Amino acid sequence: GDSVTQMEGPVTLSEEAFLTINCTYTATGYPSLFWYVQYPGEGLQLLLKATKADDKGSNKGFEATYRKETTSFHLEKGSVQVSDSAVYFCALRPANAGKSTFGDGTTLTVKP
Amino acid sequence: EAGVVQSPRYKIIEKKQPVAFWCNPISGHNTLYWYRQNLGQGPELLIRYENEEAVDDSQLPKDRFSAERLKGVDSTLKIQPAELGDSAVYLCASSLVRGAETQYFGPGTRLLVL
Repeated sequence: GDSVTQMEGPVTLSEEAFLTINCTYTATGYPSLFWYVQYPGEGLQLLLKATKADDKGSNKGFEATYRKETTSFHLEKGSVQVSDSAVYFCALRPANAGKSTFGDGTTLTVKP
Repeated sequence: EAGVVQSPRYKIIEKKQPVAFWCNPISGHNTLYWYRQNLGQGPELLIRYENEEAVDDSQLPKDRFSAERLKGVDSTLKIQPAELGDSAVYLCASSLVRGAETQYFGPGTRLLVL
């Protein structure tokens, strides 16, 4: 079945550092790919998405590119802020709009 | 616009007791999802509704879990009896239609079974 593997955390960075959180997936066909963010005490929020190969999703300075050849969707940000501290989840949804599959999440802590 | 509303936010019960969680999706959203999120893991789908019809409940442990969405709006998820392993965060989400790109999540109900 479908699966999503995320870089294990926690990740601790200093403010203004470069962020990469790795995500690889296994799925048949051409799934849509997502990054969600979960701030403490809140539900998941969609951060960005990509629906086909080579698409780049971007939002709030975060970017991720759908790489079908490497089955990856790595999350990047050039300069993190303390307010980016949260748990980040990579997810996929099959092309038939069936059940979404989430990774286990990566906790990011940004220190001033 | 109000987001997805869930209650209660926290619940502590003893094993073998019943418990219920309530979710009110965003107005006009036809699709409603219940997820369970264990500590340190991502959400796992329990059940998905299209209006009042449960269209995917393959992951719902039907011996103890039940759910309903009688009028195609708000929904209740019940566990009876609860077991220690049911301790988790129960998330509700909604989307405009099936296959919509964006699911909107509520804050979740954190359940602790003692």
